[in-house]
Amino acid sequence: NAGVTQTPKFRILKIGQSMTLQCAQDMNHNYMYWYRQDPGMGLKLIYYSVGAGITDKGEVPNGYNVSRSTTEDFPLRLELAAPSQTSVYFCASRRTGVSYEQYFGPGTRLTVT
Amino acid sequence: QKEVEQDPGPLSVPEGAIVSLNCTYSNSAFQYFMWYRQYSRKGPELLMYTYSSGNKEDGRFTAQVDKSSKYISLFIRDSQPSDSATYLCAMSANAGGTSYGKLTFGQGTILTVHP
Repeated sequence: NAGVTQTPKFRILKIGQSMTLQCAQDMNHNYMYWYRQDPGMGLKLIYYSVGAGITDKGEVPNGYNVSRSTTEDFPLRLELAAPSQTSVYFCASRRTGVSYEQYFGPGTRLTVT
Repeated sequence: QKEVEQDPGPLSVPEGAIVSLNCTYSNSAFQYFMWYRQYSRKGPELLMYTYSSGNKEDGRFTAQVDKSSKYISLFIRDSQPSDSATYLCAMSANAGGTSYGKLTFGQGTILTVHP
């Protein structure tokens, strides 16, 4: 299994541009999450999904959108990028039921200038 | 007040030292307590997991939870240079159910173990 994969690894955006961060998992996990990690700030939940077609906002959803059309994929869309969205973005997944462990991807480093 | 507080360090210790990492929290609904380890430019990986109060040991690592004080700790014995990483505490009200396993993370503590 590849686990959780994320593309791209790095990206530089200009203010006002848009992009989609890709996330895929091959573990047949229903639950998927998007986090952002800023220096010294831990991980903040942006959006999460409990299955295909079902998504909900996390702690810091403003400026982002998600969709979940398949169990495997959970893309994160940035519209009108702003410098405040400069961060490292992590996607994670976990299986349904009484399971505590989230499996994380390698992250996407995004700079908005 | 943040829901989870963790001293960001950085913490630098010599090889072989005992390391103590700590988090405090304010939400009494938290029942599941985790420690994730994150190497530089990598995603976090689960290191230890504890349910409710008590201790859990795994090799050189011991996790402690004191729900009455809303305080959790991770101890690393005989620390090694390979333990150099950022350690993040994480908590959840329940593993499944209506919280959907959402985790609340501390800020992370940067640990360096030097030879």
